[in-house]
Amino acid sequence: QKEVEQDPGPLSVPEGAIVSLNCTYSNSAFQYFMWYRQYSRKGPELLMYTYSSGNKEDGRFTAQVDKSSKYISLFIRDSQPSDSATYLCAMTLKTSYDKVIFGPGTSLSVIP
Amino acid sequence: EPEVTQTPSHQVTQMGQEVILRCVPISNHLYFYWYRQILGQKVEFLVSFYNNEISEKSEIFDDQFSVERPDGSNFTLKIRSTKLEDSAMYFCASNAELTDTQYFGPGTRLTVL
Repeated sequence: QKEVEQDPGPLSVPEGAIVSLNCTYSNSAFQYFMWYRQYSRKGPELLMYTYSSGNKEDGRFTAQVDKSSKYISLFIRDSQPSDSATYLCAMTLKTSYDKVIFGPGTSLSVIP
Repeated sequence: EPEVTQTPSHQVTQMGQEVILRCVPISNHLYFYWYRQILGQKVEFLVSFYNNEISEKSEIFDDQFSVERPDGSNFTLKIRSTKLEDSAMYFCASNAELTDTQYFGPGTRLTVL
């Protein structure tokens, strides 16, 4: 079983749609959870991070963590063409200084 | 807004040659990292560095790799004798003591011919 799994997509949605991106993990020791956005041939750009179960909202983005199910989600409201990118879920074990374990990413296209 | 910078953006080298990839982490950060991403694959951890020594390294980070913080601002990754399979994007990241996550640079694309 892989440590972190994501549906690779591609996921294609119309502009304005609500997007749901999901990620599962196998190691219950993961403590910190992040979502990064990556444009083609660019570095990962941090969108959100959290270390507790529940929801965290930032503008159009909501991150959801369910540690009991080992499942995290990112919701994007009112999606825009500029949101078209690959979304990487990521997590660390004990602290935020630990190595980041990335999922393989989900490719998202928002169609105008 | 402060950001991690990396040079060069693209490096082409011949197999067997040495390369040095350079990074300038965010100025008040104390923890430094290198990751790599082979085209079409996930981002993988290589090494972490704190207080002038390696904190952790992955199995990818073998004797051909080394890291250094030669002064107060730069952080380098050296590959001594490059192989074809070293072709990838290499990302530097840094983390401050009081913040909760790592910030990534734009990457250096290494092409080994």
